[in-house]
Amino acid sequence: KAGVTQTPRYLIKTRGQQVTLSCSPISGHRSVSWYQQTPGQGLQFLFEYFSETQRNKGNFPGRFSGRQFSNSRSEMNVSTLELGDSALYLCASSLVSNYQGGGETQYFGPGTRLLVL
Amino acid sequence: AQKVTQAQTEISVVEKEDVTLDCVYETRDTTYYLFWYKQPPSGELVFLIRRNSFDEQNEISGRYSWNFQKSTSSFNFTITASQVVDSAVYFCALSEAKGSNYQLIWGAGTKLIIKP
Repeated sequence: KAGVTQTPRYLIKTRGQQVTLSCSPISGHRSVSWYQQTPGQGLQFLFEYFSETQRNKGNFPGRFSGRQFSNSRSEMNVSTLELGDSALYLCASSLVSNYQGGGETQYFGPGTRLLVL
Repeated sequence: AQKVTQAQTEISVVEKEDVTLDCVYETRDTTYYLFWYKQPPSGELVFLIRRNSFDEQNEISGRYSWNFQKSTSSFNFTITASQVVDSAVYFCALSEAKGSNYQLIWGAGTKLIIKP
């Protein structure tokens, strides 16, 4: 079974631009979560989608948004990029949503490394 | 207060040594889940183990073993006869209820360096 895939793997943008990252979950997984990882803040939860609905959200500004399609693929968008948005963005999939009871094992993709200049 | 504490920022050992990575957590829930993930330099987080709060049995998987002790709120990870390929950052995480939702709360990670 193929793992979680993320595209693109690397991205360079300038301040003020917007960016869209894509994530394809493991086949059969319906939940997709997004995380931001930086050296200073570590791993931070962005949001989780299940059945095309956002189920859970972390403490990030509205510039960070996402969506999930009927095939469970997900995209996240960051508008008006700031230097501080430079990070590794990780996508994780699980069979069902943690919203439904917690404890689901999440399987991660290789991440997208975003550099904002 | 930190919910998941990995006090060891970096550990360096010589190959074939045993090494233990500490994880201390804090929660008021009676039902919770603990995880360990490995992050090699490539960046992908690799799932290692999941444990629920009702299962305190220690687990061994090859050279890896985990010691879960509710009395000390710890979930430590030991690598026996370490190998260079074990070099990575290891994260401990706690899944607990936040209202009606569950969220994974991550430790800061321990960077493990295995020298040949």
